[in-house]
Amino acid sequence: NAGVTQTPKFQVLKTGQSMTLQCAQDMNHEYMSWYRQDPGMGLRLIHYSVGAGITDQGEVPNGYNVSRSTTEDFPLRLLSAAPSQTSVYFCASRKNREEVYEQYFGPGTRLTVT
Amino acid sequence: AQKVTQAQTEISVVEKEDVTLDCVYETRDTTYYLFWYKQPPSGELVFLIRRNSFDEQNEISGRYSWNFQKSTSSFNFTITASQVVDSAVYFCALSEAGGNNRLAFGKGNQVVVIP
Repeated sequence: NAGVTQTPKFQVLKTGQSMTLQCAQDMNHEYMSWYRQDPGMGLRLIHYSVGAGITDQGEVPNGYNVSRSTTEDFPLRLLSAAPSQTSVYFCASRKNREEVYEQYFGPGTRLTVT
Repeated sequence: AQKVTQAQTEISVVEKEDVTLDCVYETRDTTYYLFWYKQPPSGELVFLIRRNSFDEQNEISGRYSWNFQKSTSSFNFTITASQVVDSAVYFCALSEAGGNNRLAFGKGNQVVVIP
């Protein structure tokens, strides 16, 4: 199993540009999520999905869109990049059962918006 | 609302010393889950342990041990006989059983092991 994969690893955008961060998992996990990590802030939830066709907002959703057309993929779209979105982005997945299982994280995407 | 506090920002220890990382959490749920993750300098997040609120047994895994105390809302992590490879940021996280199951992370402890 490859686990959770993310592309690209690094990206530089200009303010106002849009782009999509890709995330895929091959563990048949129902639950997938996107976090951003900023210095001194820990990780904060952007959006999450409990299964194909179902998404919801997390703690810091503004400026981001998601969709979940398949179990495997959960892309994150930046609509109009802003310098405040400079961050490291992590995708994660886990089983979605009655219990809350651990999340497995992808390697991260380091995004810089100039 | 769920909240995790890791008060010590950076901790430096000399190799072979023990180091304890404090984690204090807040939640209104009676059913919740606690986690520790390690983030080495390479940047990935590595799962270390999960504990649910009904299981207060302490756990030991090699040089790692965890002390869960519901009475003080704490889930502390100890590295025994630290090694340079233990240098990393360690995150404590909490997930309530209800709601969106989001992981609420603490701000992390930067552990620096000096050879």
